[in-house]
Amino acid sequence: DQQVKQNSPSLSVQEGRISILNCDYTNSMFDYFLWYKKYPAEGPTFLISISSIKDKNEDGRFTVFLNKSAKHLSLHIVPSQPGDSAVYFCAATIMGLGSQGNLIFGKGTKLSVKP
Amino acid sequence: DTGVSQDPRHKITKRGQNVTFRCDPISEHNRLYWYRQTLGQGPEFLTYFQNEAQLEKSRLLSDRFSAERPKGSFSTLEIQRTEQGDSAMYLCASSLVVLISGANVLTFGAGSRLTVL
Repeated sequence: DQQVKQNSPSLSVQEGRISILNCDYTNSMFDYFLWYKKYPAEGPTFLISISSIKDKNEDGRFTVFLNKSAKHLSLHIVPSQPGDSAVYFCAATIMGLGSQGNLIFGKGTKLSVKP
Repeated sequence: DTGVSQDPRHKITKRGQNVTFRCDPISEHNRLYWYRQTLGQGPEFLTYFQNEAQLEKSRLLSDRFSAERPKGSFSTLEIQRTEQGDSAMYLCASSLVVLISGANVLTFGAGSRLTVL
């Protein structure tokens, strides 16, 4: 039973255009969401996060949108650059008293940005 | 601080052998996590430590797996009597949680890739 789903295994975009990566979750208890980027032969690197009390968080070229009613979040990269080519993982967790803070990951989306 | 370090980066072993992986977290971090990642999947939680205490273990962690974090610093993950199904990337991550309700952002190491022949 996958609690965090990334239904697109891959995405290809042209340099300079927008990349939109999607993520759905099923557990309504999740209240904190993160995106990680992973290059080959490296560990995942934290990119951006959002708390469930917000619907948008922006950091430079990266913006994460959260739609709690739809249990959906998305990562927008504008403009996309060839160096953004990597696997992007969506993760969710439950904060608060007694929480172990364990991250539940999706299967990832491989983004290819073509020059 | 150079981040989370894992050793070895790659281990090839024969079925039935024991292997041990080491993780050195970021020094000021109080939580340490072990994850496993197989091809086409996201990282899957195995276990975590708050300082030296192992507080949670996933059902994925069979009795052939054992993890320790003596003195709350580095951690080891041992797999006994390895099976081909144990072939995976083993990721270690650490974090600093100062408030019980605070956000928990994990910093990952580069991983230790295990190949069981």
